Amino acid sequence: NAGVTQTPKFRVLKTGQSMTLLCAQDMNHEYMYWYRQDPGMGLRLIHYSVGEGTTAKGEVPDGYNVSRLKKQNFLLGLESAAPSQTSVYFCASSYVGGTEAFFGQGTRLTVV
Amino acid sequence: QQQVKQSPQSLIVQKGGISIINCAYENTAFDYFPWYQQFPGKGPALLIAIRPDVSEKKEGRFTISFNKSAKQFSLHIMDSQPGDSATYFCAAGPRDDKIIFGKGTRLHILP
Repeated sequence: NAGVTQTPKFRVLKTGQSMTLLCAQDMNHEYMYWYRQDPGMGLRLIHYSVGEGTTAKGEVPDGYNVSRLKKQNFLLGLESAAPSQTSVYFCASSYVGGTEAFFGQGTRLTVV
Repeated sequence: QQQVKQSPQSLIVQKGGISIINCAYENTAFDYFPWYQQFPGKGPALLIAIRPDVSEKKEGRFTISFNKSAKQFSLHIMDSQPGDSATYFCAAGPRDDKIIFGKGTRLHILP
């Protein structure tokens, strides 16, 4: 099993460009999460989903949108990238919300 | 409002020593307390977790100590090795289908 797979692994964007980060899980988990990790800030929740077709805001949702059209996929979009969105992004999934979470390898995004 | 406070931010321990990382939580409704380990360039991975009905859980060299009355829990790494050098996150949940993470501790084990 691949677990949680994130694509791409690295990306450089210019300010104002858009992009979509893809997260795919093969564990049939209902719950999926997008986090950003910045030095000294820990893991901050951007958006999450409690099942196919659902999304909800996390701690730092501004500037991001998400979609969960299929149970196994959770997409994170940046419509107009800003330098403040330079970060490492992690996707995670869990069978039961708020319990053991499985993380992807991360996407390192730089906005210049 | 930070609901899970983790300390220290960074820790240096000699090889063979004991590494101790502490966390405190606020919400008494939490009933799941995991520790995650993250190596550079990788995603966090579950290391060990505890429920509040026990005061200690041990897996190999890793032990969680849990103090329900003080709303604190800690990770002890016995006989610390250079391969244990990583960032460690404590967490607590669930709260509205989410886990609340501490800000992390960067652990460095001196060879």
